[in-house]
Amino acid sequence: AQKITQTQPGMFVQEKEAVTLDCTYDTSDPSYGLFWYKQPSSGEMIFLIYQGSYDQQNATEGRYSLNFQKARKSANLVISASQLGDSAMYFCAMRESTSGTYKYIFGTGTRLKVLA
Amino acid sequence: GAVVSQHPSRVICKSGTSVKIECRSLDFQATTMFWYRQFPKKSLMLMATSNEGSKATYEQGVEKDKFLINHASLTLSTLTVTSAHPEDSSFYICSAARETQYFGPGTRLLVL
Repeated sequence: AQKITQTQPGMFVQEKEAVTLDCTYDTSDPSYGLFWYKQPSSGEMIFLIYQGSYDQQNATEGRYSLNFQKARKSANLVISASQLGDSAMYFCAMRESTSGTYKYIFGTGTRLKVLA
Repeated sequence: GAVVSQHPSRVICKSGTSVKIECRSLDFQATTMFWYRQFPKKSLMLMATSNEGSKATYEQGVEKDKFLINHASLTLSTLTVTSAHPEDSSFYICSAARETQYFGPGTRLLVL
């Protein structure tokens, strides 16, 4: 079973509009972390935002916010006021502990294209 | 965010040769580093978890004799692709983890 699911292989958004990228996860570990990364065409993975499983409030970082719905096991990324430079691949990831060590599991990614 | 460097960024080698990729955590000590492989238009596939001072933990299906990992210090981990073959051509990316995982810029390996 997929532990991290990103159901949108590709998304389009108009410049200056907001867009939501979906991510659902599956874990039985009570302590886990959720991350979003951006990967432009250059290949580097850029950390965007983090949400801990015990965090009461949704994480925000500038134009990025994470809509954390723990009961639904979803951690959607919201990008407000989209810019052309936001066009990239976006990966949702979960950190869970396994035998005392951490492991990060990635979703299949969503390719976002911002239209001028 | 933290800075992780990776060297080389690109490498082309002949089949049968070995290639070493370095991953350095520049501004924090990382007890754990991860090595991933990414095929074109695909997600990251975890190859192994590198722990300072101990043997790496390899994921199922990853040949430990093929992909040698050494975590010599708290700031350096190396991945050596031994006797490289064309099917080893890929994008290899490392990360250093504190509470958050920070990635290096990746290495594009092309084996001819």
